[in-house]
Amino acid sequence: KNQVEQSPQSLIILEGKNCTLQCNYTVSPFSNLRWYKQDTGRGPVSLTIMTFSENTKSNGRYTATLDADTKQSSLHITASQLSDSASYICVVSRTGGSYIPTFGRGTSLIVHP
Amino acid sequence: EPEVTQTPSHQVTQMGQEVILRCVPISNHLYFYWYRQILGQKVEFLVSFYNNEISEKSEIFDDQFSVERPDGSNFTLKIRSTKLEDSAMYFCASREGQDYGYTFGSGTRLTVV
Repeated sequence: KNQVEQSPQSLIILEGKNCTLQCNYTVSPFSNLRWYKQDTGRGPVSLTIMTFSENTKSNGRYTATLDADTKQSSLHITASQLSDSASYICVVSRTGGSYIPTFGRGTSLIVHP
Repeated sequence: EPEVTQTPSHQVTQMGQEVILRCVPISNHLYFYWYRQILGQKVEFLVSFYNNEISEKSEIFDDQFSVERPDGSNFTLKIRSTKLEDSAMYFCASREGQDYGYTFGSGTRLTVV
C-alpha cells in the first residue's frame, strides 16, 4: 500500500535555530517527492520537488534531501524565522497507474521568539 | 504570480442543505482537483478533472458529490444533502500537467450545523 509517514508529528524550536523534518514513503514506482508548506487556514504551497536522480535541492533556507534507495527524504530549515511556523507536508507521486499523489499527515512546526 | 481563487472563504450551512463551492483555476492549467482537509487531519483527495470529465475519484467522492466546469474558467464542487461530517476545509487545486506540482487555492471552510 502506498504510504507516506512523517516525523515528528510536531516540533517546537526557538527562532534562529535549525531543524530537520523527516519523510519515509513506500510509494512505488517512485516518480517525485514534493515538500509543501501549509500556513494555518491556507492551502499548501510548494517548496521543493525532487525526482529519482536528485539528492539535494535548496530553496532559500529550505534544503530537501532524497535517498531513493531507503525511500527517505528530509527537509532542513536553517536559521528559522517566526514565519516558518506552519505544517510541512511531504507528498509523493508514482509513475503509471494513478497520478494522484500520496500525502503525508504533515509536521506541525512552531517557532518561538 | 498566478493564483487559484476559491469562493466563498467560509460557508455555514444546515445539515441536509446543498452547497456549491467555487474555484477559478489558473488559466493555462489543464488538470483540476478537489481535496478536503478535516480539522487536524491530512489532506485527502476527492476528485480529479481533465478534458471536461472526471479522471479519478476517491471513495469519499460518492453520489453526494458532483463537479462541473460550467464555462472556461470556473470549476465547482457541489455537495448535496450535507452531513455534519462534511465539515472541513475544501481545497481546489490545478496543475499544468501530470508531472507538475499543484497550485492550491486558499480553501473554503465549510461548516455544517
